[in-house]
Amino acid sequence: QKEVEQNSGPLSVPEGAIASLNCTYSDRVSQSFFWYRQYSGKSPELIMSIYSNGDKEDGRFTAQLNKASQYVSLLIRDSQPSDSATYLCAVNILKNSGGSNYKLTFGKGTLLTVNP
Amino acid sequence: GAVVSQHPSRVICKSGTSVKIECRSLDFQATTMFWYRQFPKQSLMLMATSNEGSKATYEQGVEKDKFLINHASLTLSTLTVTSAHPEDSSFYICSARAPEGKSLYNSPLHFGNGTRLTVT
Repeated sequence: QKEVEQNSGPLSVPEGAIASLNCTYSDRVSQSFFWYRQYSGKSPELIMSIYSNGDKEDGRFTAQLNKASQYVSLLIRDSQPSDSATYLCAVNILKNSGGSNYKLTFGKGTLLTVNP
Repeated sequence: GAVVSQHPSRVICKSGTSVKIECRSLDFQATTMFWYRQFPKQSLMLMATSNEGSKATYEQGVEKDKFLINHASLTLSTLTVTSAHPEDSSFYICSARAPEGKSLYNSPLHFGNGTRLTVT
């Protein structure tokens, strides 16, 4: 099983709709989870961090975490064409014992297209 | 928020020459920085972990003699691509963790703007 899995997409939604992006991970002891947005030709930009089960909202973005199911998602409400990008799920995976051996592992990303 | 500055943003060089890329943490100290490479339409690939005051740790398959990393201070890491060849053309991105109320190891990575390297 891959460590962090995302559907590659593309996911296409109309402007104003809710875009739902999903991610599963393999390491049960992971403690920190992140969503990044990457526009074509640009570097990733942090959108959300989530550490506890449940929902975390920031503006139009909501991250949802379910550690029991090893599942993290990102909802984008009122999607805008400017949200069109690749969304990367990242999970801190413990590689070896000891705090210095966490590796932030990225999924391959989901390409989101918001159609005007 | 934490800012990571990377320079240059774009470089074109001839085959066989070396290119140095700088990565700076502007408003925080980073004992560890991470270097990624991304080919077109592919995912981020971690190349190496840069450690201040000690040797870098390279991922499997990355040649340490070709990609020289120096992390001489708490705010600066450099990546030198030695004897560059066209197959080294890629998007190189550095990143660092800034403490954000959690343990450092649970803090997110902040990325520089990247360096697009083209080797002719």
